[in-house]
Amino acid sequence: DTGVSQNPRHKITKRGQNVTFRCDPISEHNRLYWYRQTLGQGPEFLTYFQNEAQLEKSRLLSDRFSAERPKGSFSTLEIQRTEQGDSAMYLCASSRGTVSSYNSPLHFGNGTRLTVT
Amino acid sequence: TQLLEQSPQFLSIQEGENLTVYCNSSSVFSSLQWYRQEPGEGPVLLVTVVTGGEVKKLKRLTFQFGDARKDSSLHITAAQPGDTGLYLCAGAPSREGQGAQKLVFGQGTRLTINP
Repeated sequence: DTGVSQNPRHKITKRGQNVTFRCDPISEHNRLYWYRQTLGQGPEFLTYFQNEAQLEKSRLLSDRFSAERPKGSFSTLEIQRTEQGDSAMYLCASSRGTVSSYNSPLHFGNGTRLTVT
Repeated sequence: TQLLEQSPQFLSIQEGENLTVYCNSSSVFSSLQWYRQEPGEGPVLLVTVVTGGEVKKLKRLTFQFGDARKDSSLHITAAQPGDTGLYLCAGAPSREGQGAQKLVFGQGTRLTINP
């Protein structure tokens, strides 16, 4: 168990540019989640995958955001035409999901901190 | 929209003191989790409580889930500087597998234990 890995750790970009983040979950975990955390707040749910299927998206995820998990392993989160309000820590988490796994623990990565100037 | 309110938001106390952090909601959650987060890192799960009235202990930390599953508390006995960090509560809104880990987080309690 090497943990959830996120790259890059930090990203500074200019407004209007596109950015892409990568998340490598724990290998045997079939569920993968993206959360966003702004300063002084708790994480907010963005979207999640079960294997390669994106099952739910938050209303926070505007059309400029897209997430993929093409082979049910790693995931990417892309933000197009970034805005200053996108500045936040983007956290990825994974878990082992089953029908009755309503309390299976999430394992979080250390996040990608995005700063849009 | 389900919300979790944590109080206090900031707490600074001396080593050896006891403290309690509260997590309240008007909504019912199927389970409640407590995380601790260090600067520059992701949250790390401390405990999950599932049953109304449940109490779990983790060394000097005691976690309780309210009878109605709407609130929770974290009590730390004889706090130590190593307990310093951001404590987050998170509720799971649904028992069904698909929606279960769409966690609703509180805004966190930033705890500082002074030597």
